[in-house]
Amino acid sequence: AQRVTQPEKLLSVFKGAPVELKCNYSYSGSPELFWYVQYSRQRLQLLLRHISRESIKGFTADLNKGETSFHLKKPFAQEEDSAMYYCALKSTSYDKVIFGPGTSLSVIP
Amino acid sequence: EAGVAQSPRYKIIEKRQSVAFWCNPISGHATLYWYQQILGQGPKLLIQFQNNGVVDDSQLPKDRFSAERLKGVDSTLKIQPAKLEDSAVYLCASSLTRTAGYTFGSGTRLTVV
Repeated sequence: AQRVTQPEKLLSVFKGAPVELKCNYSYSGSPELFWYVQYSRQRLQLLLRHISRESIKGFTADLNKGETSFHLKKPFAQEEDSAMYYCALKSTSYDKVIFGPGTSLSVIP
Repeated sequence: EAGVAQSPRYKIIEKRQSVAFWCNPISGHATLYWYQQILGQGPKLLIQFQNNGVVDDSQLPKDRFSAERLKGVDSTLKIQPAKLEDSAVYLCASSLTRTAGYTFGSGTRLTVV
């Protein structure tokens, strides 16, 4: 069965500290992985996708198929990074995107 | 580019009443999705349309939920009758291609009392 887990509901880091939001998935095929972000009072929006291998707002995420993980990382957290982050999986066979439960990141000034 | 439009933004109804939500996707986006997001959880897919056809409605509680996308553009999601556990944010999203990321609307927050 397809499933996305995010073990941390809440994560607090100090400004300038490194941050890592964990995401693990279960899927038998080759999935597409995404990170979505929702800032306070804003709509859910795409942050990055693994096939693009891009860095957005200083965030990167590497797909580790051996560990079935897609952790989101940023070397130096900023206050404006405080938001809700959702890891999501999309099968290459179907269009359905499955979201994890989300991690609330709080960056302390 | 205009975003995904949803209305209303908020709705409060009593249990056993009916309610409808409306979504207008980004122009040209063939794929449209309705998600339910209960407080503290990630969004859960209810139904997916490709143009005006249903691709996946396996998680739609069909005894009370219905959705349509006439003419392959706007879509409505209806709940009849509503239950307390239907209290959630209902998100509409659209995508241009099967491999593109979604663009979400701002959602409709439903409270059933």
